[in-house]
Amino acid sequence: EAGVTQFPSHSVIEKGQTVTLRCDPISGHDNLYWYRRVMGKEIKFLLHFVKESKQDESGMPNNRFLAERTGGTYSTLKVQPAELEDSGVYFCASSQGRAGLRGEQFFGPGTRLTVL
Amino acid sequence: AQSVTQLGSHVSVSEGALVLLRCNYSSSVPPYLFWYVQYPNQGLQLLLKYTTGATLVKGINGFEAEFKKSETSFHLTKPSAHMSDAAEYFCAVSDPGSARQLTFGSGTQLTVLP
Repeated sequence: EAGVTQFPSHSVIEKGQTVTLRCDPISGHDNLYWYRRVMGKEIKFLLHFVKESKQDESGMPNNRFLAERTGGTYSTLKVQPAELEDSGVYFCASSQGRAGLRGEQFFGPGTRLTVL
Repeated sequence: AQSVTQLGSHVSVSEGALVLLRCNYSSSVPPYLFWYVQYPNQGLQLLLKYTTGATLVKGINGFEAEFKKSETSFHLTKPSAHMSDAAEYFCAVSDPGSARQLTFGSGTQLTVLP
Protein backbone atom coordinates (compact mmCIF):
# COMPACT_ATOMS: atom_id res chain seq x y z
CA GLU A 1 0.00 0.00 0.00
CA ALA A 2 1.42 3.35 -1.01
CA GLY A 3 1.93 5.91 1.71
CA VAL A 4 1.20 9.61 1.64
CA THR A 5 3.06 11.26 -1.22
CA GLN A 6 3.86 14.91 -1.73
CA PHE A 7 5.05 16.83 -4.74
CA PRO A 8 7.42 18.54 -5.23
CA SER A 9 9.95 17.55 -2.62
CA HIS A 10 11.64 20.93 -2.90
CA SER A 11 10.58 24.24 -4.37
CA VAL A 12 12.57 27.44 -4.60
CA ILE A 13 10.67 30.52 -5.73
CA GLU A 14 11.03 34.28 -5.55
CA LYS A 15 8.92 36.51 -3.39
CA GLY A 16 5.70 37.37 -5.15
CA GLN A 17 5.53 34.19 -7.19
CA THR A 18 2.92 31.47 -6.88
CA VAL A 19 3.55 27.91 -5.78
CA THR A 20 1.23 24.92 -5.64
CA LEU A 21 1.97 21.96 -3.43
CA ARG A 22 0.26 18.63 -3.94
CA CYS A 23 -0.58 15.84 -1.53
CA ASP A 24 -1.87 12.38 -2.37
CA PRO A 25 -3.20 10.69 0.78
CA ILE A 26 -3.37 6.98 1.39
CA SER A 27 -6.13 5.57 -0.77
CA GLY A 28 -9.46 5.55 1.03
CA HIS A 29 -8.45 7.99 3.75
CA ASP A 30 -11.17 10.56 4.25
CA ASN A 31 -9.18 12.81 6.59
CA LEU A 32 -6.42 14.93 5.09
CA TYR A 33 -4.35 17.44 7.03
CA TRP A 34 -1.80 20.08 6.11
CA TYR A 35 0.87 21.14 8.57
CA ARG A 36 3.84 23.50 8.29
CA ARG A 37 7.16 23.70 10.04
CA VAL A 38 9.00 26.96 9.88
CA MET A 39 12.72 26.55 10.53
CA GLY A 40 13.50 25.50 14.07
CA LYS A 41 9.94 25.83 15.26
CA GLU A 42 7.21 23.35 15.99
CA ILE A 43 5.07 21.69 13.35
CA LYS A 44 1.86 23.68 13.16
CA PHE A 45 -1.55 22.67 11.91
CA LEU A 46 -2.92 24.49 8.88
CA LEU A 47 -6.16 22.76 7.96
CA HIS A 48 -8.18 19.57 7.93
CA PHE A 49 -10.33 18.12 5.15
CA VAL A 50 -12.95 15.45 5.56
CA LYS A 51 -13.42 14.16 2.07
CA GLU A 52 -13.75 17.32 -0.02
CA SER A 53 -15.01 19.55 2.79
CA LYS A 54 -12.87 21.82 4.93
CA GLN A 55 -13.51 20.66 8.48
CA ASP A 56 -11.16 23.09 10.16
CA GLU A 57 -9.02 25.78 8.57
CA SER A 58 -8.23 27.67 11.74
CA GLY A 59 -4.49 27.30 11.22
CA MET A 60 -4.31 28.93 7.81
CA PRO A 61 -2.08 31.98 8.29
CA ASN A 62 -3.80 34.37 5.86
CA ASN A 63 -5.73 34.58 2.63
CA ARG A 64 -2.64 34.08 0.49
CA PHE A 65 -3.05 30.37 1.22
CA LEU A 66 -5.72 28.39 -0.62
CA ALA A 67 -6.29 24.69 -0.12
CA GLU A 68 -8.51 22.47 -2.20
CA ARG A 69 -9.44 18.83 -2.28
CA THR A 70 -11.55 18.27 -5.33
CA GLY A 71 -13.33 14.92 -5.38
CA GLY A 72 -12.04 14.05 -1.94
CA THR A 73 -8.83 12.51 -3.24
CA TYR A 74 -5.64 14.53 -3.61
CA SER A 75 -5.24 18.01 -2.22
CA THR A 76 -3.40 21.11 -3.34
CA LEU A 77 -2.12 24.01 -1.29
CA LYS A 78 -1.49 27.18 -3.23
CA VAL A 79 0.47 30.13 -1.92
CA GLN A 80 -0.14 33.32 -3.88
CA PRO A 81 1.78 35.57 -3.70
CA ALA A 82 4.55 33.93 -1.70
CA GLU A 83 6.34 35.91 1.01
CA LEU A 84 9.68 35.24 2.70
CA GLU A 85 8.01 34.05 5.89
CA ASP A 86 6.24 31.28 3.99
CA SER A 87 9.50 29.35 3.77
CA GLY A 88 9.42 26.06 5.60
CA VAL A 89 8.49 22.41 5.27
CA TYR A 90 4.88 21.64 4.45
CA PHE A 91 3.65 18.25 5.60
CA CYS A 92 0.55 16.43 4.56
CA ALA A 93 -1.04 13.66 6.61
CA SER A 94 -4.05 11.41 6.27
CA SER A 95 -6.12 9.19 8.52
CA GLN A 96 -9.20 7.03 8.43
CA GLY A 97 -11.75 5.33 10.59
CA ARG A 98 -11.13 4.28 14.18
CA ALA A 99 -7.41 4.90 13.86
CA GLY A 100 -8.19 8.43 12.81
CA LEU A 101 -10.37 8.94 15.86
CA ARG A 102 -7.39 7.85 17.95
CA GLY A 103 -5.35 10.58 16.29
CA GLU A 104 -3.18 8.22 14.27
CA GLN A 105 -2.11 10.13 11.20
CA PHE A 106 0.19 9.00 8.41
CA PHE A 107 2.59 11.64 7.19
CA GLY A 108 4.17 12.35 3.86
CA PRO A 109 7.84 13.31 3.45
CA GLY A 110 7.03 17.00 3.20
CA THR A 111 7.70 19.72 0.64
CA ARG A 112 10.53 22.08 1.49
CA LEU A 113 9.58 25.56 0.26
CA THR A 114 12.18 28.30 0.04
CA VAL A 115 11.07 31.81 -0.83
CA LEU A 116 13.91 34.13 -1.86
CA ALA B 1 -5.80 25.21 24.15
CA GLN B 2 -3.27 22.44 24.12
CA SER B 3 0.48 22.90 24.16
CA VAL B 4 3.47 20.59 24.17
CA THR B 5 6.92 21.30 25.57
CA GLN B 6 9.96 19.26 24.66
CA LEU B 7 12.94 20.01 26.88
CA GLY B 8 16.15 20.10 24.93
CA SER B 9 16.19 20.80 21.22
CA HIS B 10 19.37 18.72 20.92
CA VAL B 11 20.30 15.61 22.91
CA SER B 12 23.50 13.63 22.48
CA VAL B 13 24.09 10.16 23.90
CA SER B 14 26.76 7.56 23.43
CA GLU B 15 25.94 4.34 21.64
CA GLY B 16 24.63 1.89 24.21
CA ALA B 17 23.59 4.59 26.66
CA LEU B 18 20.09 5.35 27.88
CA VAL B 19 17.98 7.63 25.72
CA LEU B 20 15.59 9.97 27.55
CA LEU B 21 13.61 12.58 25.63
CA ARG B 22 11.28 14.72 27.68
CA CYS B 23 7.76 15.81 26.83
CA ASN B 24 5.27 17.72 28.93
CA TYR B 25 1.83 18.79 27.81
CA SER B 26 -0.83 21.21 28.81
CA SER B 27 -4.44 20.29 28.16
CA SER B 28 -7.81 20.82 29.78
CA VAL B 29 -8.56 17.10 29.45
CA PRO B 30 -6.17 14.17 29.28
CA PRO B 31 -5.26 14.02 25.61
CA TYR B 32 -4.07 11.26 23.39
CA LEU B 33 -0.27 11.32 23.27
CA PHE B 34 2.14 10.43 20.50
CA TRP B 35 5.81 10.27 19.67
CA TYR B 36 6.79 10.60 16.04
CA VAL B 37 10.27 10.21 14.56
CA GLN B 38 11.66 11.80 11.43
CA TYR B 39 14.70 10.28 9.81
CA PRO B 40 16.59 12.41 7.27
CA ASN B 41 14.65 12.97 4.04
CA GLN B 42 11.68 10.99 5.28
CA GLY B 43 8.24 11.75 6.62
CA LEU B 44 7.16 11.53 10.23
CA GLN B 45 6.74 7.97 11.43
CA LEU B 46 4.64 7.02 14.44
CA LEU B 47 6.84 5.53 17.17
CA LEU B 48 4.20 4.92 19.80
CA LYS B 49 0.96 6.27 21.21
CA TYR B 50 -1.07 6.42 24.39
CA THR B 51 -4.83 6.58 24.19
CA THR B 52 -6.28 4.64 27.12
CA GLY B 53 -5.32 1.72 29.35
CA ALA B 54 -1.80 0.85 30.41
CA THR B 55 0.24 3.97 30.98
CA LEU B 56 3.52 2.38 29.88
CA VAL B 57 3.42 1.96 26.14
CA LYS B 58 5.91 0.21 23.94
CA GLY B 59 6.68 1.26 20.43
CA ILE B 60 8.87 0.30 17.55
CA ASN B 61 12.66 -0.04 17.68
CA GLY B 62 12.76 -0.66 21.42
CA PHE B 63 11.32 2.70 22.46
CA GLU B 64 8.78 3.11 25.22
CA ALA B 65 7.03 5.98 26.98
CA GLU B 66 5.08 6.37 30.18
CA PHE B 67 2.04 8.58 30.60
CA LYS B 68 2.12 10.28 34.00
CA LYS B 69 -1.07 12.24 34.48
CA SER B 70 0.04 13.84 37.74
CA GLU B 71 3.14 15.20 36.04
CA THR B 72 1.46 15.86 32.66
CA SER B 73 4.41 14.09 31.08
CA PHE B 74 5.03 11.52 28.37
CA HIS B 75 8.79 11.01 28.29
CA LEU B 76 10.34 8.73 25.69
CA THR B 77 13.03 6.24 26.67
CA LYS B 78 15.18 3.54 25.19
CA PRO B 79 17.58 1.53 27.36
CA SER B 80 20.40 1.33 24.85
CA ALA B 81 20.93 3.78 22.01
CA HIS B 82 21.88 2.58 18.56
CA MET B 83 23.50 4.63 15.83
CA SER B 84 20.36 4.18 13.73
CA ASP B 85 18.31 6.04 16.36
CA ALA B 86 19.82 9.34 15.28
CA ALA B 87 16.84 11.36 14.09
CA GLU B 88 14.47 14.11 15.15
CA TYR B 89 11.74 13.17 17.60
CA PHE B 90 8.43 14.94 18.04
CA CYS B 91 5.94 14.65 20.86
CA ALA B 92 2.33 15.42 19.94
CA VAL B 93 -1.13 15.47 21.50
CA SER B 94 -4.66 15.34 20.20
CA ASP B 95 -8.16 15.63 21.59
CA PRO B 96 -9.45 12.19 22.58
CA GLY B 97 -12.15 10.69 20.43
CA SER B 98 -11.83 13.06 17.53
CA ALA B 99 -10.01 13.12 14.23
CA ARG B 100 -8.84 16.63 14.84
CA GLN B 101 -5.36 17.99 14.39
CA LEU B 102 -2.21 17.08 16.28
CA THR B 103 -0.43 19.68 18.38
CA PHE B 104 3.32 19.19 18.26
CA GLY B 105 6.27 20.07 20.40
CA SER B 106 9.24 21.78 18.80
CA GLY B 107 11.20 18.55 18.34
CA THR B 108 14.38 17.06 19.76
CA GLN B 109 17.31 16.18 17.55
CA LEU B 110 18.97 13.04 18.87
CA THR B 111 22.63 12.46 18.09
CA VAL B 112 24.20 9.11 18.89
CA LEU B 113 27.95 9.19 19.38
CA PRO B 114 30.13 6.16 18.63
